[in-house]
Amino acid sequence: GQNIDQPTEMTATEGAIVQINCTYQTSGFNGLFWYQQHAGEAPTFLSYNVLDGLEEKGRFSSFLSRSKGYSYLLLKELQMKDSASYLCAVRDRNYGGSQGNLIFGKGTKLSVKP
Amino acid sequence: NAGVTQTPKFRILKIGQSMTLQCAQDMNHNYMYWYRQDPGMGLKLIYYSVGAGITDKGEVPNGYNVSRSTTEDFPLRLELAAPSQTSVYFCASSSWAGTANYGYTFGSGTRLTVV
Repeated sequence: GQNIDQPTEMTATEGAIVQINCTYQTSGFNGLFWYQQHAGEAPTFLSYNVLDGLEEKGRFSSFLSRSKGYSYLLLKELQMKDSASYLCAVRDRNYGGSQGNLIFGKGTKLSVKP
Repeated sequence: NAGVTQTPKFRILKIGQSMTLQCAQDMNHNYMYWYRQDPGMGLKLIYYSVGAGITDKGEVPNGYNVSRSTTEDFPLRLELAAPSQTSVYFCASSSWAGTANYGYTFGSGTRLTVV
């Protein structure tokens, strides 16, 4: 079956760095996504990894290790507006669709304090 | 560019009533999806479509129906609403899987309460 685990909540200080981990077990891995979701709003796409290594996008970076079933999202120079839930999602070829639909983790609620 | 448009934003239904949640996208995306999100839970896939005329069940399809008569529209029908269907519903779309790093574009959501 499929399983995605990420911490439920995290707290960090403005200006600091925070790392949100995600571990997964899927039968047909075909890419990993990170989404940001502010309270009461829709998820918005942050990053995508399909090969091992680090992808950097401004203050946000995402890392993938397929052999370990592990990813992390790194947020640098935290700002108050980064307070949101961060959703890890895995595309699984065996979950329908031609390339696989996304399976979402429960999300990590990040609170940024002054 | 409207993206993915969902209506209504909020709705209260009585047990046993029916309704249709509307979803439209203007990005010419072939793939469309309906998810529900309950507090503390991940997004769960209800139904998806890979193109006009083609739909398939996701993880939690019971109590719902969909149709896809055009590329743009993907309505979700709730028949005989039950309290267990109280949730936030998100519609999403994406381009052909052949694109290397496509992500989903989500609508703003419909908050549904069944009483």
